[in-house]
Amino acid sequence: SQQGEEDPQALSIQEGENATMNCSYKTSINNLQWYRQNSGRGLVHLILIRSNEREKHSGRLRVTLDTSKKSSSLLITASRAADTASYFCATATPGGSYIPTFGRGTSLIVHP
Amino acid sequence: DTAVSQTPKYLVTQMGNDKSIKCEQNLGHDTMYWYKQDSKKFLKIMFSYNNKELIINETVPNRFSPKSPDKAHLNLHINSLELGDSAVYFCASADGGRTGNTIYFGEGSWLTVV
Repeated sequence: SQQGEEDPQALSIQEGENATMNCSYKTSINNLQWYRQNSGRGLVHLILIRSNEREKHSGRLRVTLDTSKKSSSLLITASRAADTASYFCATATPGGSYIPTFGRGTSLIVHP
Repeated sequence: DTAVSQTPKYLVTQMGNDKSIKCEQNLGHDTMYWYKQDSKKFLKIMFSYNNKELIINETVPNRFSPKSPDKAHLNLHINSLELGDSAVYFCASADGGRTGNTIYFGEGSWLTVV
């Protein structure tokens, strides 16, 4: 299994600003998913992008995928204090068992 | 109804003890997982269990053992607890082990070994 690595480790912004976090991985993938973890809670699925997709939107979320660079980015537009959380990417590789692997996430703080 | 539930949520125990964390999912999923999250929030896969096939992360000490009485349950048993086992343990499930399916997480079990 491979591991997604999120960058930056921490991000602090003001409400209304955009937040961008990145994910890099090492081998080919079927898809990449982004998850959110509020403090003291489990992870919750946000969005999935397949390897043949380059961009995907969901509400204020925009995800891009560059398979040539083995990287993805998550953009949260017009951030709100409620977006404060940790964000993780997970990758799924072709073949074999489905064992999503995560990194240590990006900790986002949105100041009101 | 909670999709993936795990108990207990908090567990404080002494070194050397044996403890179990229970996990149940009511989603009808075929695959269940245990993850460990350390103090730096790094989320590490421990086990994957699908149709009686157990895949173990080779870095997990054999003091840790998953036990699955049926498809809806995957409990985590830990023997001879050590201080370094203190962490948050997450149970999760996914449908059929197929790639691309959303993973559903429990709320975590906070284990503190003293």
